[in-house]
Amino acid sequence: EAGVVQSPRYKIIEKKQPVAFWCNPISGHNTLYWYRQNLGQGPELLIRYENEEAVDDSQLPKDRFSAERLKGVDSTLKIQPAELGDSAVYLCASSLDQGGTSYTGELFFGEGSRLTVL
Amino acid sequence: SQQGEEDPQALSIQEGENATMNCSYKTSINNLQWYRQNSGRGLVHLILIRSNEREKHSGRLRVTLDTSKKSSSLLITASRAADTASYFCAGGGGKLIFGQGTELSVKP
Repeated sequence: EAGVVQSPRYKIIEKKQPVAFWCNPISGHNTLYWYRQNLGQGPELLIRYENEEAVDDSQLPKDRFSAERLKGVDSTLKIQPAELGDSAVYLCASSLDQGGTSYTGELFFGEGSRLTVL
Repeated sequence: SQQGEEDPQALSIQEGENATMNCSYKTSINNLQWYRQNSGRGLVHLILIRSNEREKHSGRLRVTLDTSKKSSSLLITASRAADTASYFCAGGGGKLIFGQGTELSVKP
């Protein structure tokens, strides 16, 4: 079974340019997360989706960041315009429905998208 | 904001030795999880301990949880060079909040 797939793996852009990251979660996982991980730090939650609904976006900088999860499967995270401080690894993760009987609490992560803003 | 703080931030040991990492967290949790991250890769789930459990084993891993002290420890026994990675604790009551991580280096 395929894991969480993210693209692109690496992206280098000039500041003020837009950038988008794509995530395909594990089939059957209703919950999807976007985390940002700065160098030497732990991941920080940006947004969490239950199906197509964003249930926690309190840490998402909404002036420049946006996310969507149309049809409750794939998700896209966009930054426009990018700033130097946005350089980080953007991690997508998925899990089973937290309310379901099969929920174990385990998150499955993709390999991440490393963004460098020059 | 970070939920947990791992201690030490970095740990270097020889192959065959045991490695112990500690984690302290701030808020009430339903469970506490430990993840591993190899350089340049995503995180991989290692083990989960529920708030009503005190100790859990999985292979060479042993996790303890003390909810009164809001702390957890991860013990890796008989470490191998392949255990070299960063280790993160994560706790939460609905969403996982990760700590800063412990960078473990196991020298052959």
